[in-house]
Amino acid sequence: EAQVTQNPRYLITVTGKKLTVTCSQNMNHEYMSWYRQDPGLGLRQIYYSMNVEVTDKGDVPEGYKVSRKEKRNFPLILESPSPNQTSLYFCASSLSGFGRTNEKLFFGSGTQLSVL
Amino acid sequence: SQKIEQNSEALNIQEGKTATLTCNYTNYSPAYLQWYRQDPGRGPVFLLLIRENEKEKRKERLKVTFDTTLKQSLFHITASQPADSATYLCALGYSSASKIIFGSGTRLSIRP
Repeated sequence: EAQVTQNPRYLITVTGKKLTVTCSQNMNHEYMSWYRQDPGLGLRQIYYSMNVEVTDKGDVPEGYKVSRKEKRNFPLILESPSPNQTSLYFCASSLSGFGRTNEKLFFGSGTQLSVL
Repeated sequence: SQKIEQNSEALNIQEGKTATLTCNYTNYSPAYLQWYRQDPGRGPVFLLLIRENEKEKRKERLKVTFDTTLKQSLFHITASQPADSATYLCALGYSSASKIIFGSGTRLSIRP
């Protein structure tokens, strides 16, 4: 089944403790992206990747890191989480980057992160 | 910067009626516009895409219109059912950008 898999589904941590949220897709998609969703603010893009070893900042990249060593995986790293990073996070992928084609996004089920 | 406005308040519709959701944007017209459905605690799911040179798109009970003069898209669900209850997001895509911009969504409730 074609899907985007995120883990963990729920995560409670404390300020400053490094964490990684994993994301994997099995559709051979070139484009992958991370979003955070907060009430009233909609989905905001954190980072995206057009292909392996190609990553770029989205609208709210501060406090986050990503890597794209393999096409299928795109982990999100919080080196020193803070309470304002408490949010619902989504990983998404599409066949190719936007602009060249009108690609739709496939989303994972989300990771609810709470930073105490 | 681009701003997208969707009905901020929840929309409550009687089953069987047509639900109409609005997506307004400011500034630059997008090359295309997408609509997604999101259920509580789940990721958004793509529904429909409409391009700037298209006025209307249909898929089963769903219809999307795109008016670049009004800077508005309307999303219609005909013969609505309780199972259509969800939050619906519109998203704008630009040919010069490597991303799409999401609105904050409209929550739709269909009562039996």
